[in-house]
Amino acid sequence: EDKVVQSPLSLVVHEGDTVTLNCSYEVTNFRSLLWYKQEKKAPTFLFMLTSSGIEKKSGRLSSILDKKELFSILNITATQTGDSAVYLCAGSNSNSGYALNFGKGTSLLVTP
Amino acid sequence: GAGVSQTPSNKVTEKGKYVELRCDPISGHTALYWYRQSLGQGPEFLIYFQGTGAADDSGLPNDRFFAVRPEGSVSTLKIQRTERGDSAVYLCASSLTTGGPYEQYFGPGTRLTVT
Repeated sequence: EDKVVQSPLSLVVHEGDTVTLNCSYEVTNFRSLLWYKQEKKAPTFLFMLTSSGIEKKSGRLSSILDKKELFSILNITATQTGDSAVYLCAGSNSNSGYALNFGKGTSLLVTP
Repeated sequence: GAGVSQTPSNKVTEKGKYVELRCDPISGHTALYWYRQSLGQGPEFLIYFQGTGAADDSGLPNDRFFAVRPEGSVSTLKIQRTERGDSAVYLCASSLTTGGPYEQYFGPGTRLTVT
């Protein structure tokens, strides 16, 4: 059975700190690993990773995939209060139209 | 451009009633997905449409749940004889598929409460 595990489940940091969120996965017919940010309702897309070792970067956020260790991390540098959200990791299975198998998420709170 | 839209945003119904939840995907997206999210959990896959057909409905919890996409655009998720355990946020997502994988874009969800 496909499984995606995120850690930690929750995290509280001060503004300006750097955080690393972890995601391990066991997904049959694995095709890609995606990160989403969920604040109130709709998860918003951050990154999609398909190849090992290639870092994707957007502003203060970056992510990398290790397909050998079945692991991905999401880094956020110089955190701001607006980064407070639940960060979701998901693996896609090519057998079901790339339907996403999500972890439970990491709840991040950035305090002023 | 317009994103994925879902209606209603909130739905309160009594146990045993029938409900319909609507999803309008991004124009041109041929793939459409329904997910269900319970409190403190990540979204859970329900069903995937490629065009008009349900290509994978393995996530539907039982036969009270059914979804259609008759013209390959708007989709409706139908729940019969609702139970309190059906209470959750129902999320819809759409994506391109040819030559994928592609990222999925989510709608704001419908919060269903069964009393």
